[in-house]
Amino acid sequence: LAKTTQPISMDSYEGQEVNITCSHNNIATNDYITWYQQFPSQGPRFIIQGYKTKVTNEVASLFIPADRKSSTLSLPRVSLSDTAVYYCLVGDPRMDSSYKLIFGSGTRLLVRP
Amino acid sequence: ETGVTQTPRHLVMGMTNKKSLKCEQHLGHNAMYWYKQSAKKPLELMFVYNFKEQTENNSVPSRFSPECPNSSHLFLHLHTLQPEDSALYLCASSQGLADPNEQFFGPGTRLTVL
Repeated sequence: LAKTTQPISMDSYEGQEVNITCSHNNIATNDYITWYQQFPSQGPRFIIQGYKTKVTNEVASLFIPADRKSSTLSLPRVSLSDTAVYYCLVGDPRMDSSYKLIFGSGTRLLVRP
Repeated sequence: ETGVTQTPRHLVMGMTNKKSLKCEQHLGHNAMYWYKQSAKKPLELMFVYNFKEQTENNSVPSRFSPECPNSSHLFLHLHTLQPEDSALYLCASSQGLADPNEQFFGPGTRLTVL
């Protein structure tokens, strides 16, 4: 069973805010939500991680509603270089098997001029 | 630049060849990983090493043989591969296997098996 569901692709324009939503209806109490970014022919890169409410760093914001059944990655004012695949992962970092990152198909974001 | 380097970046080999992929991390991490990413498929975890000891072999065929001589270096030895083994092979490292599990990935080796 897939733990997360994301849109397959999204289109945006430079300067816009992009919000990518991920559904994780079966998220467990101790699960954290993590987002990775992957450019073509490169390895994924950690973007942000959160447990509840809102987390913000220099790259993005992560919004998590109270029921935690979904989360939204927000990229402010995207540029062409933000064109990439974005992966949403859930898992319990305290479990011995937490290193087994389960990557789904991700969301392919295309930023147009 | 993530602090994880991989060589070679591209490799073409025949099914009877023997080759090795190399990964090196300069982050002082203790855990290292091999992943496989085939076209249009999610990343698949292959092997995990923690403090040079293999902790995970995700049912990988024996034609893939990992080696971890120290916490900074990880190799993937390849022999008698099949065309379906053509993929992007990614190496990653993390501080450990515990929270927070932020893995740092290398650029990958694009492997083509003829």
